Amino acid sequence: GQQLNQSPQSMFIQEGEDVSMNCTSSSIFNTWLWYKQDPGEGPVLLIALYKAGELTSNGRLTAQFGITRKDSFLNISASIPSDVGIYFCAGQNTGNQFYFGTGTSLTVIP
Amino acid sequence: DAGITQSPRHKVTETGTPVTLRCHQTENHRYMYWYRQDPGHGLRLIHYSYGVKDTDKGEVSDGYSVSRSKTEDFLLTLESATSSQTSVYFCAISGSGTSGPYEQYFGPGTRLTVT
Repeated sequence: GQQLNQSPQSMFIQEGEDVSMNCTSSSIFNTWLWYKQDPGEGPVLLIALYKAGELTSNGRLTAQFGITRKDSFLNISASIPSDVGIYFCAGQNTGNQFYFGTGTSLTVIP
Repeated sequence: DAGITQSPRHKVTETGTPVTLRCHQTENHRYMYWYRQDPGHGLRLIHYSYGVKDTDKGEVSDGYSVSRSKTEDFLLTLESATSSQTSVYFCAISGSGTSGPYEQYFGPGTRLTVT
């Protein structure tokens, strides 16, 4: 099955730093989604992107739908301890199936 | 909170026994999905449904069957559980209500252990 390349795999940062992660695909997507998953919980939708070039914010989170439609980026500004978790990207094309990245594990050091 | 519940949340079963996991939604979403999540593999689609009694296979459907007799319920059955099916299973929904058409929401998960 199709899997998205997500990087980095893991990040260790100091509280207050900004974070960037990205997701790339060999295929074009119509929708990009970003999720956060805490241990023992299901993924929670953070941001949805529907148009190439779109830039959308949700509090300290900002995500962009790449112009080529084959990539997406997530930035977290001024990280705090509760940002700890695993972040997943997901893409959706003309069908109604979603394809997921392997996740970026974020650790925030107080 | 997207109004998705999964039951049971935890289950331990023996190899060779049938197991059924239930997903229930209160959001009237058209599409429902079953995924499994394993270390190193991320989320992989098992089966999905695009309407009542309408289902299709995903990437890792062998050994699993599904049924959807009502909009709100989507059942996943392991016909004869094997140790390789030890995993965390997530249900997800998309496609109507007040959310965008292509936003997918996840349930809390079921941790299944096959001994």
